[in-house]
Amino acid sequence: EVQLVESGGGLVQPGGSLRLSCSASGFTFTIYSMNWVRQAPGKGLEWVSYISNSGSTMYYADSVKGRFTISRDNGKNSLFLQMNSLRAEDTAVYYCARWHGSGQFQDYWGQGTLVTVSS
Amino acid sequence: QSVLTQPPSVSAAPGQKVTISCSGSSSNIGNHYVSWYQQLPGTAPKVLIYENNERPSGIPDRFSGSKSGTSATLGITGLQTGDEADYYCGTWDSSLSAGVFGGGTKLTVL
Repeated sequence: EVQLVESGGGLVQPGGSLRLSCSASGFTFTIYSMNWVRQAPGKGLEWVSYISNSGSTMYYADSVKGRFTISRDNGKNSLFLQMNSLRAEDTAVYYCARWHGSGQFQDYWGQGTLVTVSS
Repeated sequence: QSVLTQPPSVSAAPGQKVTISCSGSSSNIGNHYVSWYQQLPGTAPKVLIYENNERPSGIPDRFSGSKSGTSATLGITGLQTGDEADYYCGTWDSSLSAGVFGGGTKLTVL
């Protein structure tokens, strides 16, 4: 069974940093690209970032470019999102999602971790 | 402002049919597969339709998808109260080199 479990969310002050983790199991992590998707309270889904299976290719939403960094550790079946210079508008539930390459969609999602940026 | 445009809400009676539209452009829907996601209250999104019209195993055939040009449509027949949820379309955008979602449509089964 595919499982994605996010962790690392919490309360952080504006301008602060946070590192999210996503632990993957139930599939061969090394052959799948991965995504981060977020959802602000009461709002819709916003795609945040993509990383290829090897970690050599990354893409970012304009709203986080230059502030967030996606990475992965294939030896530990883990995905990460380093978030710096956090703003109030980054407050959201952050979901880790597996990317189905040929179909270009997120086929499995974690339960999400809440990040709150507030003083 | 989402790259993909969906109606904010739709409603219909139990047993009836509803469609949800998703409009984009040549850089996204026009040249990429469309997927649809259902998000029940308080839960993570779940894929309903992928590659425009394919259903994952376990998704009933009451749910269908189609695409024409730069627009896509999700259809739900035989509406049930359990279908009340937010529905999102999604795809890749070549110009942005980014994933994109619609703003979401809230389905109410009256």
